[in-house]
Amino acid sequence: SQQGEEDPQALSIQEGENATMNCSYKTSINNLQWYRQNSGRGLVHLILIRSNEREKHSGRLRVTLDTSKKSSSLLITASRAADTASYFCVVSGYSTLTFGKGTMLLVSP
Amino acid sequence: DVKVTQSSRYLVKRTGEKVFLECVQDMDHENMFWYRQDPGLGLRLIYFSYDVKMKEKGDIPEGYSVSREKKERFSLILESASTNQTSMYLCASSLSWDRGSYEQYFGPGTRLTVT
Repeated sequence: SQQGEEDPQALSIQEGENATMNCSYKTSINNLQWYRQNSGRGLVHLILIRSNEREKHSGRLRVTLDTSKKSSSLLITASRAADTASYFCVVSGYSTLTFGKGTMLLVSP
Repeated sequence: DVKVTQSSRYLVKRTGEKVFLECVQDMDHENMFWYRQDPGLGLRLIYFSYDVKMKEKGDIPEGYSVSREKKERFSLILESASTNQTSMYLCASSLSWDRGSYEQYFGPGTRLTVT
């Protein structure tokens, strides 16, 4: 399986601002997932978008997928201090997942 | 809620010891996984299992073995622990890929220190 590459590596914003993280990958995918990891709740699945979808929402999260550019973005709106975490983009073919190094998001009060 | 539990949050072992890390899931998932997570290297897959008694090597299986005797339990074994196996170990489970499901559920992790 291949690895998604997140950009930026680190992001620092104020509470209430929006946070955008990007992911690029190299070959065709079946789906793309975003995970979050923080010290409190460990590694948690956030959202999955399939290759035939272009946009998906879940609460304050919005994920887009552009298969022609082989890229995805995760938007967190109205961020909170509790959103402070590492965010991983995980691209999936038809078997195992490969995690990238993630984007570290710091949301300051 | 899906629950994946790991036997220990913290573990300290000596070089050369045989180490067992246990993982249990309560959602009847077919697939189970062991990863290690290291700063700067991200998560790397060690082994996975898609059925009882079945196992497949991941990206970094050297120095590790696994056992899956029951569907809900997946064990990671370090045959002879070495200092370079000091790491955070994460267990995960998921439904069968045949069901079109790819979401993985993770345990809290075991931080293993080998001295």
